[in-house]
Amino acid sequence: EGQLLESGGGLVQPGGSLRLSCIASGFTSNNFGMSWVRQAPGKGLEWVSGISGTGIMTYYADSVRGRFSISRDSSDNIIYLQVSSLTVEDTAVYYCAKGLWEIDYWGQGTLVTVSS
Amino acid sequence: SSELTQDPAVSVALGQTVRITCQGDSLKKYSASWYQQKPGQAPVLLTYGRNNRPSGIPDRFSGSASGDTASVTITGAQAEDEADYYCLSRDSSGNRFSVFGTGTRVTVL
Repeated sequence: EGQLLESGGGLVQPGGSLRLSCIASGFTSNNFGMSWVRQAPGKGLEWVSGISGTGIMTYYADSVRGRFSISRDSSDNIIYLQVSSLTVEDTAVYYCAKGLWEIDYWGQGTLVTVSS
Repeated sequence: SSELTQDPAVSVALGQTVRITCQGDSLKKYSASWYQQKPGQAPVLLTYGRNNRPSGIPDRFSGSASGDTASVTITGAQAEDEADYYCLSRDSSGNRFSVFGTGTRVTVL
């Protein structure tokens, strides 16, 4: 059974950056599209970014386009999300997820808190 | 960009049936998947495609769709079904790949 483990979250000041990582195990992640989904405190789920199985195609929500960058290291089965120019509105739990629109595996999430 | 709209909250008596809906233009073209999320936990896939369920999901959960509306029905709601429910589908506008519905809080009375 597949598992996803996120890391890299933490407290960052407005305008700062972080790199979130997601290690996939139990399946070969480069055979599948992968997504990052976030959830602000007390709010709903927001699909943030996705990458195709080949890594050639990347997709972003309007709210993060130009500030976030998704990538993958197929040899290590790792998916990254570089988050930059952060604002307080980016404070959320960030989930790594297997799939682009039918998500069958989710990580437990990593919390990003943007605050001065 | 296309949006998916859900009722904010619904309630259902124990053992009864409840239908949770998701409405949006993209659903005319793409199917929806449904997720259950309990407090402090990651979402769980309930149904996808034309009423497919992953292994381990009880058959009291069923998905359906008509026109611009997708639904998940809980037949014989249990106390443990109290949770938030979200739909997810492709974004037909092309600005992003996918979009979640606004979410529905289900209370089991």
